[in-house]
Order: sequence, then C-alpha cells, then structure tokens
Amino acid sequence: EAGVTQFPSHSVIEKGQTVTLRCDPISGHDNLYWYRRVMGKEIKFLLHFVKESKQDESGMPNNRFLAERTGGTYSTLKVQPAELEDSGVYFCASSPMWAGPGELFFGEGSRLTVL
Amino acid sequence: QKEVEQNSGPLSVPEGAIASLNCTYSDRGSQSFFWYRQYSGKSPELIMSIYSNGDKEDGRFTAQLNKASQYVSLLIRDSQPSDSATYLCAVSRSRGKLIFGQGTELSVKP
Repeated sequence: EAGVTQFPSHSVIEKGQTVTLRCDPISGHDNLYWYRRVMGKEIKFLLHFVKESKQDESGMPNNRFLAERTGGTYSTLKVQPAELEDSGVYFCASSPMWAGPGELFFGEGSRLTVL
Repeated sequence: QKEVEQNSGPLSVPEGAIASLNCTYSDRGSQSFFWYRQYSGKSPELIMSIYSNGDKEDGRFTAQLNKASQYVSLLIRDSQPSDSATYLCAVSRSRGKLIFGQGTELSVKP
C-alpha cells in the first residue's frame, strides 16, 4: 500500500512568486493534515481536512496560504505570494476515521526555499 | 514557555545501552501523548502512544507518563545504531492536531 506522497520534494522560488504543494493521502483516509517546520523550530499544525471540508484551519499563518482538497482525495497548499519566512518543510499527514487522536501517517515533506 | 519541551541533544549512547528521552508539557489538561521517530530527510513515524499514567511497553520501547509532573519519557533498551534518529514528543489538542516538541537527536555508537 502506498504511503502519503508529496510533490515536489524540493522547490526553490523567489520572493513574491507562487508555489503549489500537493499531497496524496493514503487511500481511504478521510483525515488529511498539513504541518510545517521552519528552520530551527518545531513542527507546527496548519490545518485539518475531513474529506473535502476544512475541520480546523487555526494554524494557517495568514491569507497568503490557501489549502484545498478536491473531492476529498488529494490536497494542495498554495502560497501566494511567497515570503522569505515561508521557507521550511511542509508535511502532509493522513489518518483513517477509526485511528486514535495522534496516529498520523506522514509524508516525507516538501522542502520550500524562498530566496 | 513552549507547550512541549525536549532537550535537543544530541544524545549519544553506546550500542546496547538504554537511551532515555524526556519531554515535558505545559497544559495540565492534556490527555494523549505520542512519540514519533524521524530519520534524516524522512517522514515522522509514530512509534508509541500513551494515554494513562504509568508505563507502556512495546518491544524495546517503553513510554512512561506522569501527569502530575507533566512529564513523558521514552526508553529504548538495547539501543542499536539503527535507532539513531530524531525523536519527537507530541501532545494531542484534538484529532490530528498535534503540538510537537523540537525533537531530540539520538546517536547510537557501535
């Protein structure tokens, strides 16, 4: 069974440009999460989808970030326009509805570098 | 004060020794606690969850929880070089909303 896959693995863009990160969760997992780790800091929650609905987006830093989950399958996280402080590793995770509260399956992350 | 605190390490132990990783949390109402392992450049992987005071053992891993002291630990017995990784302590706020510590880097020397 395929795990959580993320694309691209690494993206280098200039300040002001737009980047879209994609996450394919494990098949059948209704819960999908985005997390971010910026340099030297801990991994932080961004938002949570249940199927196509945003359950909790309290961690989204500002309105330059837009997350979508089309048809309850894959998800995209768009940063527009990107700023230097957006650099970091963006992790996607998924879990089935029957899983415990912290039992998440993470992808390997998309590293974003904003120059 | 950070919500979840860990010593960043690196923690170095010889092969075969017991590695002890510690974590404290600030919210006394926290109920669910997790240890994730992350190899360099790879995804975090859940290795232990603990919900009640005391010890929980799974193979070479033992998680310990003391809610009165707001303290969680992970013991790794018979440490192997393959255990060298960053260990992340996390507390659950709600389903899937984890508060992570910065992680402790463990190095097991052959």
